Amino acid sequence: VQLVESGGGLVQPGGSLRLSCAASGFTFSTHWMHWVRQAPGKGLVWVSRINTDGSSTRYADSVKGRFIISRDNAKNTLYLQMISLRAEDTAVYYCARQYSGYAAFDYWGQGTLVAVSS
Amino acid sequence: QSMLTQPPSVSAAPGQKVTISCSGSSSNIGNNYVSWYEQLPGTAPKLLIYENNKRPSGIPDRFSGSKSGTSATLGITGLQTGDEADYFCGTWDISLNAYVFGTGTKVTVL
Repeated sequence: VQLVESGGGLVQPGGSLRLSCAASGFTFSTHWMHWVRQAPGKGLVWVSRINTDGSSTRYADSVKGRFIISRDNAKNTLYLQMISLRAEDTAVYYCARQYSGYAAFDYWGQGTLVAVSS
Repeated sequence: QSMLTQPPSVSAAPGQKVTISCSGSSSNIGNNYVSWYEQLPGTAPKLLIYENNKRPSGIPDRFSGSKSGTSATLGITGLQTGDEADYFCGTWDISLNAYVFGTGTKVTVL
């Protein structure tokens, strides 16, 4: 199982960014997927989740209306579209696979850093 | 966003045992299974415990989990220098309709 995030970088406040998470080594279309972020030196914060076919999504209040999670099962890829970025969105963003049937994340990517600064 | 409460740090000598508490409420720990994650410095988190007390394949039995009411506990026995890491609990919160993590605990091996 491998999850590889990409798309992070430096962006100005109010800007946009799209993160990708390429999945391999498992049947991507059968797992719910999540995004979790971690500000520098801080703890883990759940951001969003999507079900297997993309028909159901959930967001943390702090990103609702600004972030959109999506997936392309044909490409085995998870996405996070982020708009209206704020300084407080600065963090390492991890994609994580939900352990089927359990409220737990059994595989994580290495993370991609998003820095929001002028 | 609400977080579960953990002690900032715990420490013990090699070979000893440490326990890490995770306190929540009836909307999260009280009504859902708890998971625990280990995050070594500079790396991504790793699942240690799921469904309160189950270990994924490859996790040694030095790691154990338990839950009682609105609190959960992670135990690490036979402490090793390689166990120096941050540990986080996590569970689903039915009121927030969101996954919540603990504040994190740094384990130091003396």
